[in-house]
Amino acid sequence: GAVVSQHPSWVICKSGTSVKIECRSLDFQATTMFWYRQFPKQSLMLMATSNEGSKATYEQGVEKDKFLINHASLTLSTLTVTSAHPEDSSFYICSAGGGGVQPQHFGDGTRLSIL
Amino acid sequence: DQQVKQNSPSLSVQEGRISILNCDYTNSMFDYFLWYKKYPAEGPTFLISISSIKDKNEDGRFTVFLNKSAKHLSLHIVPSQPGDSAVYFCAASEGGSRLTFGEGTQLTVNP
Repeated sequence: GAVVSQHPSWVICKSGTSVKIECRSLDFQATTMFWYRQFPKQSLMLMATSNEGSKATYEQGVEKDKFLINHASLTLSTLTVTSAHPEDSSFYICSAGGGGVQPQHFGDGTRLSIL
Repeated sequence: DQQVKQNSPSLSVQEGRISILNCDYTNSMFDYFLWYKKYPAEGPTFLISISSIKDKNEDGRFTVFLNKSAKHLSLHIVPSQPGDSAVYFCAASEGGSRLTFGEGTQLTVNP
């Protein structure tokens, strides 16, 4: 069964809306979670590393003020796309676990469409 | 700078035959490699992994080979089944956790 749950799976909203995506680790605690973005027919690109109880670490080129990450508990990280615009439309995926020789497990992703 | 590359965007094989998916990397500090399978509109599903201290890891129909000197890894699926049709991503990490993905290879297994 799924070890990482992501919600919602699909969001369609108007330009200027802020959208929150949740990522939960099931049956295990995750001090670190990761947020990725995938454009059509492209690879998964790491956006940021979410650290429980501290600030997220963003990859180069990712706007911190645009993509707000909160990791308030050991089982929940949230990504908020603030004032979303059509160019933010993408497939957002979170993962948890990993470290050493353990694999990361991914959520089912969120399809974000900004009109 | 694409540190992990999958040069074949697609691969088509016949059911029952072997599928071989390839991946090259440039960062010699990578020490853990993974293969994920992905269907459209879903997150990647972990398939198999290998650490840099090994050159082969096998799990059922899936075998991953690592050639460190060539900075190359491959995934072998045998026998291939129609349900294996999906996009396969290789990924690599240095010291655990943070993953760098290749571009993916679309595998189609024909009945």
